Amino acid sequence: SQQGEEDPQALSIQEGENATMNCSYKTSINNLQWYRQNSGRGLVHLILIRSNEREKHSGRLRVTLDTSKKSSSLLITASRAADTASYFCAPGQYSGAGSYQLTFGKGTKLSVIP
Amino acid sequence: IAGITQAPTSQILAAGRRMTLRCTQDMRHNAMYWYRQDLGLGLRLIHYSNTAGTTGKGEVPDGYSVSRANTDDFPLTLASAVPSQTSVYFCASSDEGADGYTFGSGTRLTVV
Repeated sequence: SQQGEEDPQALSIQEGENATMNCSYKTSINNLQWYRQNSGRGLVHLILIRSNEREKHSGRLRVTLDTSKKSSSLLITASRAADTASYFCAPGQYSGAGSYQLTFGKGTKLSVIP
Repeated sequence: IAGITQAPTSQILAAGRRMTLRCTQDMRHNAMYWYRQDLGLGLRLIHYSNTAGTTGKGEVPDGYSVSRANTDDFPLTLASAVPSQTSVYFCASSDEGADGYTFGSGTRLTVV
């Protein structure tokens, strides 16, 4: 299975601190994506990193990808209470017709304490 | 607002009944997906469609069927609901030009 596995399962930090979440997967991928889910809501796409990229930034987010170790990390800098959510990594494999399939892990539940 | 609309938002269904969960997108995305999310199990793919007129099975397809008659709609049908199908169901779409999946807000289904 291509399913990503996030670590840790839960993380609690103070507002202003950085939060790091890790993801491991098993086979080759075309890209890896990170999503956020607020309680009771749908998932929201945060960032995509392609298999030939090593690092990508978007605002307070920094994602790294190490294809040799089949791992990725998501860093949220200067966390805010509004960052409290579950975060999922999703390894992506091209499935034809311009689309790709994602398999999601169980997520990391991040709590940012004001 | 561009995105995915799912209906109903929530439903309580008697076991054995037939139910169709609706999903409509207005982004003209080629691919659409149905996932179920259960506590402790994450999201699991039920069925997908890479383009209108085609469908495929995901990780947990048993008990579910889908159709893709046009680009915008991707309904999920439970022919005879069972309690183990109690879950939150998410529809999503993607396209070659888009960076990631767009998800709907979900349907919370309880089968009793």
